[in-house]
Amino acid sequence: NAGVMQNPRHLVRRRGQEARLRCSPMKGHSHVYWYRQLPEEGLKFMVYLQKENIIDESGMPKERFSAEFPKEGPSILRIQQVVRGDSAAYFCASSGYGTEIAKNIQYFGAGTRLSVL
Amino acid sequence: GQQVMQIPQYQHVQEGEDFTTYCNSSTTLSNIQWYKQRPGGHPVFLIQLVKSGEVKKQKRLTFQFGEAKKNSSLHITATQTTDVGTYFCAGPLKAAGNKLTFGGGTRVLVKP
Repeated sequence: NAGVMQNPRHLVRRRGQEARLRCSPMKGHSHVYWYRQLPEEGLKFMVYLQKENIIDESGMPKERFSAEFPKEGPSILRIQQVVRGDSAAYFCASSGYGTEIAKNIQYFGAGTRLSVL
Repeated sequence: GQQVMQIPQYQHVQEGEDFTTYCNSSTTLSNIQWYKQRPGGHPVFLIQLVKSGEVKKQKRLTFQFGEAKKNSSLHITATQTTDVGTYFCAGPLKAAGNKLTFGGGTRVLVKP
C-alpha cells in the first residue's frame, strides 16, 4: 500500500512565479491536510479537504494561496506570485481508514521544500 | 484560545540517560497522538492514546495519557542517537472543528 506521495520534493521559484505542489493520499484515504513548516518550527495547519470539497481553510492566507482535491487526481496546493516568505517545507497528510478514532490518525508525505529566490 | 502546548521546546540529553517531554491541552481531548520527525524528514505517527490514564510502551518509549485527558507525556529511557528528532503531540480540539491540532514539538538532541 503506497504511502502519501508528494511531488516535487524540492521546488525552486523566483519571486512572482507560481508554485504548484501535488499530493496523492494513501489508497482509500479521502481526507487530505496541508501543513507548512518553517525551519526549527512546528507544523502550521493550512487547509483540510475531502474529495471535491474544502472542509476547513482557516489556516490559509487570504491571498495568493488556494487548494483543491478533485474527484480524480491528486490534491494541489497552489501559491501564486510567490515571495521569499513563502519559502518553507509544505507537508501533506491523509487519513481515512477504520473507526472514527483510527480515522483521526494522519499519515504524512515526505514534503515539498519550496525555495523562493 | 484552545491550544496544545509542549515543554520543553529543546531537550539536550546525554546518550544513555532518560528524559521526559510533556504535552498539555487547554481542554479535554478524546485522544492524543504522538509523532516523530527526524531532521530533514517528515512527521511519522508513533502512537495514539484514547483512555484516561492509559499507558503504552514501545521499546524504550513510554507514553501516558493523563487521568483528566488533558495532558500526556513521553518518557524515553537509555537515550540513543537514533532518538534524535522532534516529537510532536497532537489532539483534536473542538474549537478547531475537531481537526488534529499539533503542539510546537520538543526537539531532542543527543550528546554522544
